[in-house]
Amino acid sequence: AQSVTQLDSHVSVSEGTPVLLRCNYSSSYSPSLFWYVQHPNKGLQLLLKYTSAATLVKGINGFEAEFKKSETSFHLTKPSAHMSDAAEYFCVVSEWSPAMRFGAGTRLTVKP
Amino acid sequence: EAQVTQNPRYLITVTGKKLTVTCSQNMNHEYMSWYRQDPGLGLRQIYYSMNVEVTDKGDVPEGYKVSRKEKRNFPLILESPSPNQTSLYFCASSFPGGRSTDTQYFGPGTRLTVL
Repeated sequence: AQSVTQLDSHVSVSEGTPVLLRCNYSSSYSPSLFWYVQHPNKGLQLLLKYTSAATLVKGINGFEAEFKKSETSFHLTKPSAHMSDAAEYFCVVSEWSPAMRFGAGTRLTVKP
Repeated sequence: EAQVTQNPRYLITVTGKKLTVTCSQNMNHEYMSWYRQDPGLGLRQIYYSMNVEVTDKGDVPEGYKVSRKEKRNFPLILESPSPNQTSLYFCASSFPGGRSTDTQYFGPGTRLTVL
């Protein structure tokens, strides 16, 4: 069965410093992995997805994630945080479409 | 404009009063899903549909029904709502991608309160 664990429920960074949001997954197959972002009182927006091509995936707004099979991880990073990055981020695993399992979410706070 | 629409956006109701939340997409997607979002739990899939008349349970289907009579519509039905169904609900749609899942497009959400 597929599952996903977001290791931090809340991450706080200063503007201009790097962002790291951690995600571990469990799957019996080679799953697809996603990161979605939800800004306050907004819907969900896809940041990036891994679907068994390149292990380093680049997304929108300067975010990227690296798929590491040996560590079953898919951590999300950004070199320099911006105030507009403050939001909730969800890591998602999918062994087959359209069944998807979301992590509990990581709330990112960006301090000025 | 390509979009997923949900109605109503906000709903307050009472225990036991049947309700339907509609979902419609204009992208000709085969796949559609319903999720509920609760604090600290992320989004949990309620039901999904792979095509007209083809639906299946997600992780939390108890207390919900769905139907897919037309490709564009996927209503969520609560026959007898209870307070534990108070939540934020999202509908989503996507093209089929087999093992390589295509992007899901989410609706704006429906905030449901059951008193």
